[in-house]
Amino acid sequence: NAGVTQTPKFRVLKTGQSMTLLCAQDMNHEYMYWYRQDPGMGLRLIHYSVGEGTTAKGEVPDGYNVSRLKKQNFLLGLESAAPSQTSVYFCASTKNNRGSGYTFGSGTRLTVV
Amino acid sequence: SQELEQSPQSLIVQEGKNLTINCTSSKTLYGLYWYKQKYGEGLIFLMMLQKGGEEKSHEKITAKLDEKKQQSSLHITASQPSHAGIYLCGADTNTGNQFYFGTGTSLTVIP
Repeated sequence: NAGVTQTPKFRVLKTGQSMTLLCAQDMNHEYMYWYRQDPGMGLRLIHYSVGEGTTAKGEVPDGYNVSRLKKQNFLLGLESAAPSQTSVYFCASTKNNRGSGYTFGSGTRLTVV
Repeated sequence: SQELEQSPQSLIVQEGKNLTINCTSSKTLYGLYWYKQKYGEGLIFLMMLQKGGEEKSHEKITAKLDEKKQQSSLHITASQPSHAGIYLCGADTNTGNQFYFGTGTSLTVIP
């Protein structure tokens, strides 16, 4: 089925561990986004990409790195996880950001202990 | 996001009552999107508005975008328990490549 797939769906990390979240889309979308959702904060943009090989910082980029080596994949990395990074992470993609609509993944629930 | 102000933050209504959620931007919007999220789940797309003065309806939910394209409202008529959840507005602007969200409105409908 066409859409945005996030892996893993759940993960528990210890403080200081690293991990990578994968976002994959099969719609040939140019733009991809990573958000985190915390209670009372809505969704906040971490990083985004406007095409293969490009990345840019969003509202809350500190502590995260991203890569877009292939058009269909957008990776979010945590080099040294902290409890403050406990959150639900959502990925989204769009063909262009001028009204073509955004497709969201189902989310990754990350807990850092 | 500081780009989008959403109000109220939470809402508790009796079943059958009408309610309105507002979303305001400091910038002129290109597209304004409304999403619903059940607790602990993903986002469900409701509607997208692009033209100033545009209004769209789906079942008992109506969304409007003002003429200046800086403010949108989501109105639910005769609320039902199935309407409960978090409502989020999202927007892209004429400048920049980012897609912003409001802080969300938590809606509880009491039977």
